[in-house]
Formats: sequence, structure tokens, C-alpha cells
Amino acid sequence: DADVTQTPRNRITKTGKRIMLECSQTKGHDRMYWYRQDPGLGLRLIYYSFDVKDINKGEISDGYSVSRQAQAKFSLSLESAIPNQTALYFCATSDPAASGSYEQYFGPGTRLTVT
Amino acid sequence: AQSVTQLDSQVPVFEEAPVELRCNYSSSVSVYLFWYVQYPNQGLQLLLKYLSGSTLVESINGFEAEFNKSQTSFHLRKPSVHISDTAEYFCAVLAGGTSYGKLTFGQGTILTVHP
Repeated sequence: DADVTQTPRNRITKTGKRIMLECSQTKGHDRMYWYRQDPGLGLRLIYYSFDVKDINKGEISDGYSVSRQAQAKFSLSLESAIPNQTALYFCATSDPAASGSYEQYFGPGTRLTVT
Repeated sequence: AQSVTQLDSQVPVFEEAPVELRCNYSSSVSVYLFWYVQYPNQGLQLLLKYLSGSTLVESINGFEAEFNKSQTSFHLRKPSVHISDTAEYFCAVLAGGTSYGKLTFGQGTILTVHP
């Protein structure tokens, strides 16, 4: 089984709808991240969480919210989806204290289309 | 704040030819550097990383990258590419205050290997 899973893998929704993307990990990592990927722009950080009680905005948090339900679960919500939120969304985890490295481990991604 | 620039958005090469994917970064503090690879319809996987020590780092599949502090570069090279190397490659930097743990990604370089 994959260490970092994301659901759903694909989603088409309409403008104005609320949608939640979920991320779960079995790596036991404290840190979790949400990114969006757009062609030609690379990955941009939406939100990050260093533990259950620590949640921080990234560089493009407007229009998004998150919930860290447990160490292993980090959800991303779009309160009222708009077409320019159409993108590929990735969840990632890291645990530099345990590994001595700062690399991040990525989920398979969720392709979201807002019509 | 740090930034990462990948100088080529697309690099087409023939099989068995050498390739270099260029990455420059800007940061006023010490950095950790990473290359990630994204194969079609998959998440990102770590290819190699520079944390400290030898400025030349290698991956298990023949890629190497050299950290050049004076030129603020971390170019990725492979002496002979295979069809299976076709993917998008992302350079990323984690700068100073490492407890922050935030990666900044470049825009990505699409490597296409032709037979």
C-alpha cells in the first residue's frame, strides 16, 4: 500500500460547490503539506501543518481552508470552487527530526476540474 | 525569500545522448537543494538531494547534480539518457531556518527522450 494516499484521484465539480480533498499517510510523519501544480508554474504551497495543532498558510491560501484531523490526516477544502482552481493537487509529508533529511514524500495527486 | 528558476521549460533529446537540466536559485542564507521527478500521471519522487558535504551528488539511476555556491546553481546531468527518463523534473530549494521546512519549487523542465 502507498504511504501517502489522496482521495479522490479525479473530480469534476461546478462553480460555487464546496469540495474536500483528503490526504492520509502511514509514514508517521508530523509535517504535512498541500500544493497545487499548474503547467509552467511548478508546485505552489497552499497550506502546511507541522503537527495537529500547528497549521500555516502557504503562498496561495486564498480560497482554500484545511483541517488536520489527526497526525495521519490532512484535508483541503475549497469553500466555493471557481474555474481557476482547476489544477493538480498534491499532498506531501516530511519528518526531518526523525530522518535527518528534509525531503518530502508526495501522494499520487488529485486532478480537480471546476466547470 | 528564496526563488528557483529552471532555465528550460522543455528539453528534447535523443536516446543515449547526454542531457543537462539547468537550475538556479536565489537565497541569502544557506540552502538544501533537491531534484524531483514526475513520471506521467504520477506524483513526485525524490531523485537526489544536496544537504552538505560533497558538492556532487548522484542518484541510483545515473543522474548527478553539482551544487555550485558561487554560481547559485544545481544543474542536473546524465551522460546517456533512456526512453524511460522521459518525465518532468523539478528543482527545489529549502533555505535557512530549516525548522520551517518549506520547499520552493522551480517551474519544471519536461524532458522528452526520442528513439
